[in-house]
Amino acid sequence: AQSVSQHNHHVILSEAASLELGCNYSYGGTVNLFWYVQYPGQHLQLLLKYFSGDPLVKGIKGFEAEFIKSKFSFNLRKPSVQWSDTTEYFCAVNADYGQNFVFGPGTRLSVLP
Amino acid sequence: EPEVTQTPSHQVTQMGQEVILRCVPISNHLYFYWYRQILGQKVEFLVSFYNNEISEKSEIFDDQFSVERPDGSNFTLKIRSTKLEDSAMYFCASSEPQLQGLGEQYFGPGTRLTVT
Repeated sequence: AQSVSQHNHHVILSEAASLELGCNYSYGGTVNLFWYVQYPGQHLQLLLKYFSGDPLVKGIKGFEAEFIKSKFSFNLRKPSVQWSDTTEYFCAVNADYGQNFVFGPGTRLSVLP
Repeated sequence: EPEVTQTPSHQVTQMGQEVILRCVPISNHLYFYWYRQILGQKVEFLVSFYNNEISEKSEIFDDQFSVERPDGSNFTLKIRSTKLEDSAMYFCASSEPQLQGLGEQYFGPGTRLTVT
């Protein structure tokens, strides 16, 4: 069965620091990869997605992620975080024409002003 | 921009009662989903629905759960006899198929179900 892990449960950074949130998945076939963000009381919002092509994908709000197939990873990055980035981040995988997303457990990001 | 809508935003029910959670997916989407998120835990897949039938479901989606698309717009999740552990945020999502696998899933704002 597919699974998704996110290395960090809670990350605390100061404003302007660089961010990298880890995401690894266990599935050997073709995958589509996503990062979602969930602000308190709101629905999941797509940050970025990878289907094929350039493994470095850029999303909204200055986020980017790199798909490294050999490492089964899709880490989320941002060069300089802002206080408004404080929220929960979820990595999700859709594998090989499957009918569902498998979500990681989430990483809470706290950015200190 | 089109969006997925869900009603109600919050549902409180007593244990053993039936609840129906409603969703209106994006109109030209073909795949529909329900997920749930127990407070403080990760989002979990419940069921996917395509062409008027369930295409995939998780272990969570037992006989107490059912889904229906009663008309051309609504997509409902019914829990026949709620249990305390059904208390969670339930998210509806929809997507359109891509050449490779599923497209982006658009999520609704969720319905918070509280079972007392």
